[in-house]
Amino acid sequence: DIVMTQSPDSLALSLGERATINCKSSQRLLCSSNNKNYLAWYQQHPGHPPKLLIYWASTRESGVPDRFSGSGSGTDFTLTISSLQAEDVAVYYCQQYCTTPLTFGGGTKVEIK
Amino acid sequence: DVQLVESGGGLVQPGGSLRLSCATSGFIFTNSDMHWVRQAAGKGLEWVSTLYTGGNTYYVDSVKGRFTISREIAKKSLYLQMNSLTTADTAVYYCARGSTSGYFYFDSWGQGTLVTVSS
Repeated sequence: DIVMTQSPDSLALSLGERATINCKSSQRLLCSSNNKNYLAWYQQHPGHPPKLLIYWASTRESGVPDRFSGSGSGTDFTLTISSLQAEDVAVYYCQQYCTTPLTFGGGTKVEIK
Repeated sequence: DVQLVESGGGLVQPGGSLRLSCATSGFIFTNSDMHWVRQAAGKGLEWVSTLYTGGNTYYVDSVKGRFTISREIAKKSLYLQMNSLTTADTAVYYCARGSTSGYFYFDSWGQGTLVTVSS
């Protein structure tokens, strides 16, 4: 199974600051000849289902604000929120879709300081 | 708009069974891979099962032989039959649609249905 490890577990930042969340996979996520990384990011507000933010490691889902960006390749990936807003308080998860079992990172809780 | 509405959760004793349903609308059901993902209280997300458009099914090891994913095309509904339930199965169960490109990330989610396994 591919193990996904996120860091940090939580972070508290001031409004307007940059948030950086890391995700490391136990195997490379370049899983086919299409040269794409099979990595997605989700945002989950308390009491709500997750929402897709990013797929293919760096492609923003339609309607997602451009302050959210994804980067990385191979086994190391990053979700960046360029300027933290109050509505960004949530838990963020990475997920690999290279192979079953599909697996998620443990989540990173983002709070306002 | 894509809508996924789960139902069928509730309180069940260990060893019991439940059948979850996910009613869908707003997209072509037969063109989409469908998934179940669960989340125990205060914990992270865990993929449970996938029903591929072609009919293939996949399960996480912990539910193999106990859970069965299926669909009813005429009703545009997805199901999860859960047997031999244990306390470890207690979670909110989400129905999720696979990406329209056919890859296994989840572009739409239901609100979830709570399954509690307890004596």
